[in-house]
Amino acid sequence: QVQLQESGPGLVKPSQTLSLNCTVSGGSISSGYYHWNWIRQPPGKGLEWIGCFSYYTGNTHYNPSLESRLTISVDTSKNQFSLELSSVTAADTAMYYCARDGRDWGQGALVTVSS
Amino acid sequence: DIQMTQSPSSLSASVGDRVTITCRASQDIRNSLAWYQQKPGKVPKLLIYAASTLYSGVPSRFSGSGSGTDFTLTISSLQPEDVATYYCQKYNSVPFTFGPGTKVDIK
Repeated sequence: QVQLQESGPGLVKPSQTLSLNCTVSGGSISSGYYHWNWIRQPPGKGLEWIGCFSYYTGNTHYNPSLESRLTISVDTSKNQFSLELSSVTAADTAMYYCARDGRDWGQGALVTVSS
Repeated sequence: DIQMTQSPSSLSASVGDRVTITCRASQDIRNSLAWYQQKPGKVPKLLIYAASTLYSGVPSRFSGSGSGTDFTLTISSLQPEDVATYYCQKYNSVPFTFGPGTKVDIK
């Protein structure tokens, strides 16, 4: 069974870049017809789709509301994909999840933006 | 972009009640809709995909229906363990937008 695990700093200063990795185990990120997603959830609020990539199409897609600050990349040698969100503010404080389609999710990484 | 709405935003029902949650898309998304359950402090779990297909391991009291713009999640007999927030998500095209959620609790 595929497992996903987010990792990265839990505290980021305003205006800096938030960086997270999602390490996949139990399956290859380069096989199958999946979308590998990033999703976030601010405290007490709903789910927001951030973006995804699809290895079989080679395409990366971003939420238009975040696109200007967002980069999603993949490292097949580490079976890992990553999120970079630049120029963060307190509004970017959230639990960040990675997910394979909607079926398999990581446990989430809480990122707080604060000085 | 296609917008997703859900109603009601919250509901309270008794154990054994039939509960219905509605999700509406601002444009036709065919049957490209998923439903998730998120219990407090937990990771969301997939309940239904393709609007009406029950995901493996999900109790049969959950069902989904609809196509196009209007969709429904039904819990046929509400159980205490169903207390959660339920989200719909479209996936016909990017962005894969979530609905705002419906919070379900026990009366």
